[in-house]
Amino acid sequence: GQNIDQPTEMTATEGAIVQINCTYQTSGFNGLFWYQQHAGEAPTFLSYNVLDGLEEKGRFSSFLSRSKGYSYLLLKELQMKDSASYLCAVRDSNYQLIWGAGTKLIIKP
Amino acid sequence: IAGITQAPTSQILAAGRRMTLRCTQDMRHNAMYWYRQDLGLGLRLIHYSNTAGTTGKGEVPDGYSVSRANTDDFPLTLASAVPSQTSVYFCASSGDRGPDTQYFGPGTRLTVL
Repeated sequence: GQNIDQPTEMTATEGAIVQINCTYQTSGFNGLFWYQQHAGEAPTFLSYNVLDGLEEKGRFSSFLSRSKGYSYLLLKELQMKDSASYLCAVRDSNYQLIWGAGTKLIIKP
Repeated sequence: IAGITQAPTSQILAAGRRMTLRCTQDMRHNAMYWYRQDLGLGLRLIHYSNTAGTTGKGEVPDGYSVSRANTDDFPLTLASAVPSQTSVYFCASSGDRGPDTQYFGPGTRLTVL
């Protein structure tokens, strides 16, 4: 079967750095997405990786290793507004997104 | 530009009733999707449409139906609601160049009693 694994919850301190990991086993691979979802709101797109390596976008970076079935989202200079769930999703061979259950990130002052 | 709108925002429904959740996008995206999101589970695809006039089944299609008469609208119908269909429902669309990112509507919170 297809599977996306992420930690259920993480806690970090304002101003610090946090890394959220995602491992996947899917039938085929056509890209990996990270989304942010604040409580009670819709998911919003953060980043996309299709080739191995690091993609940097401001305070957020996303890394992909296709051979290891692994990605991480790196958040720097954490702000209170970064408190949210972070969803990892992989596009499979049928071009459908398979979603992880999400990682709830709690930021403490 | 509104992006994607969904209606209603929330609804409480008696079991056995019929209900249609509405979704409209103004981005001229070809593909549209319906997901449900339940606590502790990832988003699960109910139905999708790659282009107007076509639809397909996702991971959890039972008890739901969709239609795609035009590019903008993609309604989801529950023919006879059951309590297990209590969930948050998100509509999404995609069709931009590059990664073909999915963009989400604000969601409908549905409670079936």
